[in-house]
Amino acid sequence: KAGVTQTPRYLIKTRGQQVTLSCSPISGHRSVSWYQQTPGQGLQFLFEYFSETQRNKGNFPGRFSGRQFSNSRSEMNVSTLELGDSALYLCASSSSGGLDEQFFGPGTRLTVL
Amino acid sequence: ILNVEQSPQSLHVQEGDSTNFTCSFPSSNFYALHWYRWETAKSPEALFVMTLNGDEKKKGRISATLNTKEGYSYLYIKGSQPEDSATYLCAFYTGTASKLTFGTGTRLQVTL
Repeated sequence: KAGVTQTPRYLIKTRGQQVTLSCSPISGHRSVSWYQQTPGQGLQFLFEYFSETQRNKGNFPGRFSGRQFSNSRSEMNVSTLELGDSALYLCASSSSGGLDEQFFGPGTRLTVL
Repeated sequence: ILNVEQSPQSLHVQEGDSTNFTCSFPSSNFYALHWYRWETAKSPEALFVMTLNGDEKKKGRISATLNTKEGYSYLYIKGSQPEDSATYLCAFYTGTASKLTFGTGTRLQVTL
C-alpha cells in the first residue's frame, strides 16, 4: 500500500510569511503526528491528530497550528515565519498512536530567508 | 520535560564488527519504547516497538532488549554491514503525555 506522502518537499519563504504543509497518511491510519527536526535537536514533537481531534501538542508557540480532515489528511500551518523555523518537518501516521509503529513521510524542507 | 538520552552520539566500526547502543528513558509511566533507523536522504523506518519489561525483539542481525524498571534499552547489531550505516533513534511513549519523545540518536558509520 502507498506510504505517507508530504507536499511540498521543499519550500523557501521569507520572514513574516506563512506556510502550509500537507501530509497524507497511509490508508486506514487515523493518527497523524508532526515533528520538527533541526541540526543537533533531534525530532521535536509538534502535535498529534486522531480522527480530526488534536490529542496532544508540543512546546511550540501558537504560530504553529494544524488540523486533520475527515479523510485523515493533515495540514500544518506556520504563521509569521522566523529564521529559526527553518527545519525539516516530518509527519508520521499510525493506526492508533504511540503504541503502534510510526510510518514517516519524506519530509518537507523549509528554508526561511 | 521527558529526557530520552542516547549513547554514544556517534560510532564508527568496521564491517563485521558487532556493536550496541543505549537508550535511557524515565522509568515511570512507561507505555512503549520505539527504535527507528534513519538513513541519509530517507525517512525514519521503524525497527521495533517494545512494551513489556524484559522484552526482546529481533529482526535479522538487529536485536533489542528492554528494562523498564531501570529505564534503558539496548540495540545490538551483529556483524555490521555498510548498509547498516544510519542514525538510530529511540523514542519513549508515556500514556500520560500521549506523545513520542525522541532521543537525539546514535549515528553509526560502517566502513569496509
